[in-house]
Amino acid sequence: QKEVEQDPGPLSVPEGAIVSLNCTYSNSAFQYFMWYRQYSRKGPELLMYTYSSGNKEDGRFTAQVDKSSKYISLFIRDSQPSDSATYLCAMSRKTSYDKVIFGPGTSLSVIP
Amino acid sequence: NAGVMQNPRHLVRRRGQEARLRCSPMKGHSHVYWYRQLPEEGLKFMVYLQKENIIDESGMPKERFSAEFPKEGPSILRIQQVVRGDSAAYFCASSPPGGLSGNTIYFGEGSWLTVV
Repeated sequence: QKEVEQDPGPLSVPEGAIVSLNCTYSNSAFQYFMWYRQYSRKGPELLMYTYSSGNKEDGRFTAQVDKSSKYISLFIRDSQPSDSATYLCAMSRKTSYDKVIFGPGTSLSVIP
Repeated sequence: NAGVMQNPRHLVRRRGQEARLRCSPMKGHSHVYWYRQLPEEGLKFMVYLQKENIIDESGMPKERFSAEFPKEGPSILRIQQVVRGDSAAYFCASSPPGGLSGNTIYFGEGSWLTVV
């Protein structure tokens, strides 16, 4: 079983839709969670990070963590064509000085 | 992604040659990560370093791969005697010294290695 699993997609939605992206993980030691966005042939770009269960909101993005279920989500409201990219979840056991493990990514296309 | 500098951006090597990839972290960042990304696959952790010290190399292949982050200069990922299976994008990331955002890593634009 992989440490971090993510539906690879591709996921295709119409512009303006609410997008839900999810990851599950197996290691209960993970405490720190991040979401990255990666455009084709570019480096991943940090979107959000959180180190606790619950919700964190930043503009059109909401990150949700449920440690009891080992499940994290990223919601994108009012999706735009510019949101078309691969979304990677990432996590680590500690908030610092620890390797960061990534999920395989979900490819998202937002259709105008 | 501004700040983490990787070079070269593209590198072509023949089988058996050596590849050296360089990474300069963001200003003020003391830790460097290297990841490999194969086509249609996610980022695979390779190694985590601070200056003059390897913190975690659990993702590094046992042979032909090495990494360093000297006191002065960039971090280097070295691949000796490259094979076609080494063709991939290699990403470097850096993180600040510590604290609650210490594991918030920031990536460079990557180095694309092609082995012919």
